[in-house]
Amino acid sequence: AQSVTQLGSHVSVSEGALVLLRCNYSSSVPPYLFWYVQYPNQGLQLLLKYTSAATLVKGINGFEAEFKKSETSFHLTKPSAHMSDAAEYFCAVSYQGAQKLVFGQGTRLTINP
Amino acid sequence: DTGVSQDPRHKITKRGQNVTFRCDPISEHNRLYWYRQTLGQGPEFLTYFQNEAQLEKSRLLSDRFSAERPKGSFSTLEIQRTEQGDSAMYLCASSSPPGGPYNEQFFGPGTRLTVL
Repeated sequence: AQSVTQLGSHVSVSEGALVLLRCNYSSSVPPYLFWYVQYPNQGLQLLLKYTSAATLVKGINGFEAEFKKSETSFHLTKPSAHMSDAAEYFCAVSYQGAQKLVFGQGTRLTINP
Repeated sequence: DTGVSQDPRHKITKRGQNVTFRCDPISEHNRLYWYRQTLGQGPEFLTYFQNEAQLEKSRLLSDRFSAERPKGSFSTLEIQRTEQGDSAMYLCASSSPPGGPYNEQFFGPGTRLTVL
């Protein structure tokens, strides 16, 4: 069975600091991995996805993530945090032939001025 | 650009009442998904349609829940005899036919259900 673990339900960084949100997955077959962002009272927006091409994936709003098979990780990073990055972030996994996404529990990112 | 829309955005009901939510996917998308998100948790898959066919249902979808997509366009999710544990955000998503190994799911704003 597939599962996703996001380490840290709440991360707080200063504006301009590095953002690192952690995601580890469990999958018996090669996974597809995703990061979504959710702003208050809104749906989920895709930040980036890994679908077995390049292991370093660049997404929108300056975010990127690196797929590390040996560590079963797909951590999300951004070099310099902006106030507008404050939101809930979800890591999700799927695999070829499946349609549903399996989400982690989410990490709330707070940006301090 | 018309994204995924959901109606209503908020619903407050009393325990035991029936409720129905509607989802309108992006017009050219033939796949439609329902997820449920409780407070402080990630979304959980409920069910999935390809055109009008319901192809997969989660064990979370008890017999009080029913979803339809009669003409392969909009979908409805009905909850009968609501319980307080049904209080959650119900999210709808859609995606287009396969053009690669995976298709991005586009999410609507959700319907927040509160059962009193």
